[in-house]
Amino acid sequence: SAVISQKPSRDICQRGTSLTIQCQVDSQVTMMFWYRQQPGQSLTLIATANQGSEATYESGFVIDKFPISRPNLTFSTLTVSNMSPEDSSIYLCSVEGSRGFQETQYFGPGTRLLVL
Amino acid sequence: QKEVEQNSGPLSVPEGAIASLNCTYSDRGSQSFFWYRQYSGKSPELIMFIYSNGDKEDGRFTAQLNKASQYVSLLIRDSQPSDSATYLCAVENSGGSNYKLTFGKGTLLTVNP
Repeated sequence: SAVISQKPSRDICQRGTSLTIQCQVDSQVTMMFWYRQQPGQSLTLIATANQGSEATYESGFVIDKFPISRPNLTFSTLTVSNMSPEDSSIYLCSVEGSRGFQETQYFGPGTRLLVL
Repeated sequence: QKEVEQNSGPLSVPEGAIASLNCTYSDRGSQSFFWYRQYSGKSPELIMFIYSNGDKEDGRFTAQLNKASQYVSLLIRDSQPSDSATYLCAVENSGGSNYKLTFGKGTLLTVNP
């Protein structure tokens, strides 16, 4: 499986500010995904980021709030804009991969965000 | 709205017992199903996948799938304290052009020494 890193690993931010989270993969992947995991909850997909095209956002998530970049096949960023305490969460990137011939997803270590 | 349901637990079993984790899903067209393990403060890690009806075994783990009942389960034999974690069921969404997974809320498993 791919080795995935995220920066920062955690941050504490003030409301109204923005934070950009980076996701780096050690191999080229077509599809990268951004998830949010709020305390005690499961993973909610924010958007899918394919290189060379606009990110595809899930219902309830908009580009103005969560702009995403995907400049190449090994890197993506997610920005959490104009933050409020409700944005406190773990943000995870994942990449498509395969286990044998089964397509699946592998996750980065996550970014723990606290908004005050 | 495609849904994946799991008992949130906590499920508590003694060391050496069999832990049984269950999951139901609403998307009848789904073909692939995954179990992820998430330790507290860590990210999910894939432990098993299954796509055919029946059982699939991998070491102490057995995944079971019944597409007619839209039910998938994970059995952990000879449970160890190191198995204590949240287990997430994920279902591949059918249709659409992008490969996507829908996750359940997870079941917290505690294995008591």
